[in-house]
Amino acid sequence: DIQLTQSPSFLSASVGDRVTITCRASQGISSSLAWYQQKPGKAPKLLIYTASTLQSGVPSRFSGSGSGTEFTLTISSLQPEDFATYYCQKLDSYPRTFGQGTKVEIK
Amino acid sequence: EVQLLESGGGLVQPGGSLRLSCAASGFSFSNYVMTWVRQPPGKGLEWVAVISASGGTTYYADSVKGRFTISRDNSNSLLYVQMNSLRVEDTAVYFCAKCGDYGGKPLDSWGQGTLVTVSS
Repeated sequence: DIQLTQSPSFLSASVGDRVTITCRASQGISSSLAWYQQKPGKAPKLLIYTASTLQSGVPSRFSGSGSGTEFTLTISSLQPEDFATYYCQKLDSYPRTFGQGTKVEIK
Repeated sequence: EVQLLESGGGLVQPGGSLRLSCAASGFSFSNYVMTWVRQPPGKGLEWVAVISASGGTTYYADSVKGRFTISRDNSNSLLYVQMNSLRVEDTAVYFCAKCGDYGGKPLDSWGQGTLVTVSS
């Protein structure tokens, strides 16, 4: 099965910072990747699918890029409401594995 | 508005069984692929199982294959997962999620989750 590895696992940043999270697949998955945001005690929320398509209603400060085995989620200017845990998920085949998560905390 | 409401969680002994339900509303349930995802306390997300819109095709994570069965009742907009031979490591919040019908079918709507605790 294809594994997804996110880096870093933990990130400390300030409001206004540009933040980049990486997701690496153990084999190529074309552009079949989604990103989710999860806040404590809440369900995950879809941010991006097909690696770079922004889900309706998601602020434009979020962007995604990549294909094959390396993908990035970028937050151009971190806002207070963006402090959360972010997960990538492969969408090409089953099992639809998630990355282990990246927790973004306030510096 | 899409709504997904899980129920059926609780405390069960190792080796026991439990059936979770997810009541869907706000969309044409029978047209969409549905998924179960779980999250152990303090840990990350784990994809568990998926079922096609008709219910005729299912896939499972290796960790639950042979023990869990996903099913659906399209007449009543209900999704289920029957969990047998439960283990301590199955302890988690279980989410049901709707797959979008676009772009690789990402999980575009989620329930609030139901907690399953497997302990003696």
